[in-house]
Amino acid sequence: RKEVEQDPGPFNVPEGATVAFNCTYSNSASQSFFWYRQDCRKEPKLLMSVYSSGNEDGRFTAQLNRASQYISLLIRDSKLSDSATYLCVVNVAGNQFYFGTGTSLTVIP
Amino acid sequence: EPEVTQTPSHQVTQMGQEVILRCVPISNHLYFYWYRQILGQKVEFLVSFYNNEISEKSEIFDDQFSVERPDGSNFTLKIRSTKLEDSAMYFCASSEALRGSGQPQHFGDGTRLSIL
Repeated sequence: RKEVEQDPGPFNVPEGATVAFNCTYSNSASQSFFWYRQDCRKEPKLLMSVYSSGNEDGRFTAQLNRASQYISLLIRDSKLSDSATYLCVVNVAGNQFYFGTGTSLTVIP
Repeated sequence: EPEVTQTPSHQVTQMGQEVILRCVPISNHLYFYWYRQILGQKVEFLVSFYNNEISEKSEIFDDQFSVERPDGSNFTLKIRSTKLEDSAMYFCASSEALRGSGQPQHFGDGTRLSIL
């Protein structure tokens, strides 16, 4: 069973659209959650941590549902520069982090 | 903004040879990691390192692999007797603060390892 699962997409959305990604995790003991973005052949870059109460950073909103074991990322007013692969990352305990396979987003002019 | 640096950016090696991938983590960070990403696949955890010893490792990190912090700044990944399937992008990452607190990691821009 995969630790972290994501819909690989691709999601193709017009500029200005709102798009949401979900990610599920299997281990109920998971402690910390993050969204990273990865551009083609580049390193993952932290987009935002995900807090229990949900959090927002500009056009990006992250939410955590511990009961259902999923986290979500909402992107409002999509920009061309948002085109990337979005990685869900979960820390179960200690210092081992599990990555999802990523969800591909393309924002179309 | 401080960053994690990795060298070389691309390493080409004959199968069976040993390679050493180098990383300089962010200076005040305490936890160091190696990940690999085979082309088109997900990022996979290899090992984490704290206080000069391995704190966690995955099933991938077998006897072929070793890590070392030879001085106060470098963090290296050694792969012995390389195989074709070791071809991947290898990312180093570092994070600050406490074990188990799940501090986000900062990634270097990777070393692309190609085994011929």
